Amino acid sequence: KAGVTQTPRYLIKTRGQQVTLSCSPISGHRSVSWYQQTPGQGLQFLFEYFSETQRNKGNFPGRFSGRQFSNSRSEMNVSTLELGDSALYLCASSTGWQETQYFGPGTRLLVL
Amino acid sequence: GQQLNQSPQSMFIQEGEDVSMNCTSSSIFNTWLWYKQDPGEGPVLLIALYKAGELTSNGRLTAQFGITRKDSFLNISASIPSDVGIYFCAGQLKGTNAGKSTFGDGTTLTVKP
Repeated sequence: KAGVTQTPRYLIKTRGQQVTLSCSPISGHRSVSWYQQTPGQGLQFLFEYFSETQRNKGNFPGRFSGRQFSNSRSEMNVSTLELGDSALYLCASSTGWQETQYFGPGTRLLVL
Repeated sequence: GQQLNQSPQSMFIQEGEDVSMNCTSSSIFNTWLWYKQDPGEGPVLLIALYKAGELTSNGRLTAQFGITRKDSFLNISASIPSDVGIYFCAGQLKGTNAGKSTFGDGTTLTVKP
C-alpha cells in the first residue's frame, strides 16, 4: 500500500501571498489531519477532516483553512502569509476511528 | 488544553547502551503513540499502545502504556547508530477525537559509534 504523499515538498513564498498544500492519504483512510512543526512550538495540530467535514480544529487563526475531497485527498490553504508561518507542514491519515495516524514526508514552507 | 511533558530533551549515548525516555500528561489519553523523525522527513510510527498497562515490543523497542493512562515510556535496547533521530510521544482520545494527536516536544537521541 502506498503511504501518505504530500506535494509540493518544498515551497518558498513571500509575505502576503497565499499557499495551497496537498495531501493524499493512504488508500482506504478517511481521516486526514494537518500539523505544523516549528523548532520553537514543536508539532501543533491544525485541523482534521473526516469524510469531507472538518471534525476537529486546533488553535490557529482563520488564515489557515482546509478542505477534503470525496476521494479523501485534502488541501490546506494559508492566506496572507507571515514570516512566522515558515514551518514543516505535515499531514497524517488514519481510518478515522482507530487512532493510529501515519504521516507523510511534509511540505517545508519558507516565507520571506 | 492537554500538554505532554517528554523527557529527557536530549540524550548522548554510546553504541550498545540502552535508552529510556518517557512522557507524562496532566490528563488521560486512550492511546499512546511513539514516533521517530529523521531530518527533513515526517514522523514514522514505531509503536502504538491502546490499553492501560499494555507492554508492546517492536524489535529492540519496548513501550508501555501507564496504568493511570497519563504516562508512557519507550525503551531502546542495544542502541545502534541508525537509532539517531528525534523521538516523539503522542496521546490521542477516542472516537471523533481520534484524528487529533497531542505531541510531546521530542527527545533528540545521539549515538556515538
